[in-house]
Amino acid sequence: QLVLTQSPSASASLGASVKLTCTLSSGHKTYAIAWHQQHPEKGPRYLMTLDRDGIHNKGDGIPDRFSGSSSGTERYLTISSLQSEDEADYYCQTWGTGTVVFGGGTKLTV
Amino acid sequence: QVQLQESGPGLVKPSGTLSLTCAVSGGSISNGNWWSWVRQPPGKGLEWIGEVYQGGTTNYSPSLKSRVAISIDESTNQFSLKLTSVSAADTAVYFCSRAGDDGRYFDYWGQGTLVAVSS
Repeated sequence: QLVLTQSPSASASLGASVKLTCTLSSGHKTYAIAWHQQHPEKGPRYLMTLDRDGIHNKGDGIPDRFSGSSSGTERYLTISSLQSEDEADYYCQTWGTGTVVFGGGTKLTV
Repeated sequence: QVQLQESGPGLVKPSGTLSLTCAVSGGSISNGNWWSWVRQPPGKGLEWIGEVYQGGTTNYSPSLKSRVAISIDESTNQFSLKLTSVSAADTAVYFCSRAGDDGRYFDYWGQGTLVAVSS
């Protein structure tokens, strides 16, 4: 079964970097995932798509401070030079044949 | 730039049918992308409901499949969601979204619309 696992929360200081993790279920390590950012009371915003080799696509206007990487079943979102507006919920998302799956989300506190 | 806008009643009675429409602008709904509905109960995470492709091909979440119908109207550049036999558990913000050109990653989202199920 295709499942994405995320830690519920993370925190980091202004100006620092943070690395968020999204873990694919075993047997699905070749799958690509997408990262989305969501501020309170807003719709999600697409950040990037990561496949097993790295960034496949990035959303319009996403700053270079947002980067991604992959290792095995793990997909990472790294945010550097943290700003107050980066405080948000971050969701990973993947897809299989006829299905789409979201991770539970990570609440980032800056 | 593609824009999506959800519309529909904000209040539905229990056992009734939830109906929403997503208007797409800035691009054609018949351009080879999948179009999805996603919902988010208050204080919870995102849940995929289902998707539709030009011509009307659909896929649905197994947990909602028996109650969901998604359709597409290529003449008006809109797609729609119907969810039957609703209960309080269906109270959520409903988003429409577009999947990318080469994968089911959602590269454009609507702002969402809150639908409450209550008598």
